[in-house]
Amino acid sequence: SQKIEQNSEALNIQEGKTATLTCNYTNYSPAYLQWYRQDPGRGPVFLLLIRENEKEKRKERLKVTFDTTLKQSLFHITASQPADSATYLCALPYSSASKIIFGSGTRLSIRP
Amino acid sequence: EPEVTQTPSHQVTQMGQEVILRCVPISNHLYFYWYRQILGQKVEFLVSFYNNEISEKSEIFDDQFSVERPDGSNFTLKIRSTKLEDSAMYFCASSPRTSGSKETQYFGPGTRLLVL
Repeated sequence: SQKIEQNSEALNIQEGKTATLTCNYTNYSPAYLQWYRQDPGRGPVFLLLIRENEKEKRKERLKVTFDTTLKQSLFHITASQPADSATYLCALPYSSASKIIFGSGTRLSIRP
Repeated sequence: EPEVTQTPSHQVTQMGQEVILRCVPISNHLYFYWYRQILGQKVEFLVSFYNNEISEKSEIFDDQFSVERPDGSNFTLKIRSTKLEDSAMYFCASSPRTSGSKETQYFGPGTRLLVL
């Protein structure tokens, strides 16, 4: 069955460094992959979408890569700030855009 | 900026009671979704809704659950006979019409449901 794994439950890094989060999937050939941010007690907030024919996408300090051979996406936050502290979720369409499956998330903490 | 809104923010109910969770999606969106998140666990898909009918549903979305768009603005999730394990945060989401952007889902703030 389809599976999404995010590399670690928690990641703790120094302010100013680059945070790199990993999303691996199996038994899937998704047409695209999304990253969301979730703060405690709040709903997920869409950040970036990358399609299968795109290798890399950027938005301000965020960068996402998508390797369909490795079945992996990397999510980078450069020049990290304490305000970037949150849980980051990887999400994939199950069969169509009508059904999205989320990974369990990586809790990122940026220390000053 | 337009937002998805949900009411109530918190709901406490007794096991076996019916609850209705309400959502107002973003006004020009045509795709609607419900998700749930049990405390400390992942966000789980429940159901998607388009053109006044269910597009997809998960194994969680059994006969105890139903969705409705009773008018042009509201989208509701009904749980007929709540169980203890229905305690969770329930999120509504919506996405736009255009094919290039319908994948992006905009989530509401959630309703925290506690079943006693």
